[in-house]
Amino acid sequence: KNEVEQSPQNLTAQEGEFITINCSYSVGISALHWLQQHPGGGIVSLFMLSSGKKKHGRLIATINIQEKHSSLHITASHPRDSAVYICAVGTGNQFYFGTGTSLTVIP
Amino acid sequence: SQTIHQWPATLVQPVGSPLSLECTVEGTSNPNLYWYRQAAGRGLQLLFYSVGIGQISSEVPQNLSASRPQDRQFILSSKKLLLSDSGFYLCAWSYGRAYEQYFGPGTRLTVT
Repeated sequence: KNEVEQSPQNLTAQEGEFITINCSYSVGISALHWLQQHPGGGIVSLFMLSSGKKKHGRLIATINIQEKHSSLHITASHPRDSAVYICAVGTGNQFYFGTGTSLTVIP
Repeated sequence: SQTIHQWPATLVQPVGSPLSLECTVEGTSNPNLYWYRQAAGRGLQLLFYSVGIGQISSEVPQNLSASRPQDRQFILSSKKLLLSDSGFYLCAWSYGRAYEQYFGPGTRLTVT
């Protein structure tokens, strides 16, 4: 069993739709990261959070420490949001990564 | 502002050949540095991290090694590449383990 599980693996949405990507983890963590990987491979860190909720533009990330669960929401999705979204958790000296959610937003 | 460089961007190497990938960070001092690999169709895997010059920790046993000869330079090496070493290699830095990580553009390695 993977320490970090993401769902769904693949997601196709129409432009403007509200999108949710889920992440569950099984280890105690110091922080959870949401990363965005574009088709060329480059990775950008979207959020790092250890409690509550963070918002950046149309992106919202939440975490429930007790339930070991985090969600990434995208409001008013746009084709430029098409990318792979990766959940990662840091615990002590370890980092664990989910396999990613591939999002395609259709105009 | 801080920037992170990786080179080369792409590399095709035969099995058994040596490897050297370089990563440098500008605009910060004493960063934590990381090497990751992403094999085709798989998630990111942390290979090495370093909290200072000459300090290297390995997360998984493998055919690769890392060195940090200078504060802002991180090198990934292999003496003899295997087919299974193919993948996308990413370098990243952070202010510390509990801080956000910033990724380089990556090197796509194909071992033939």
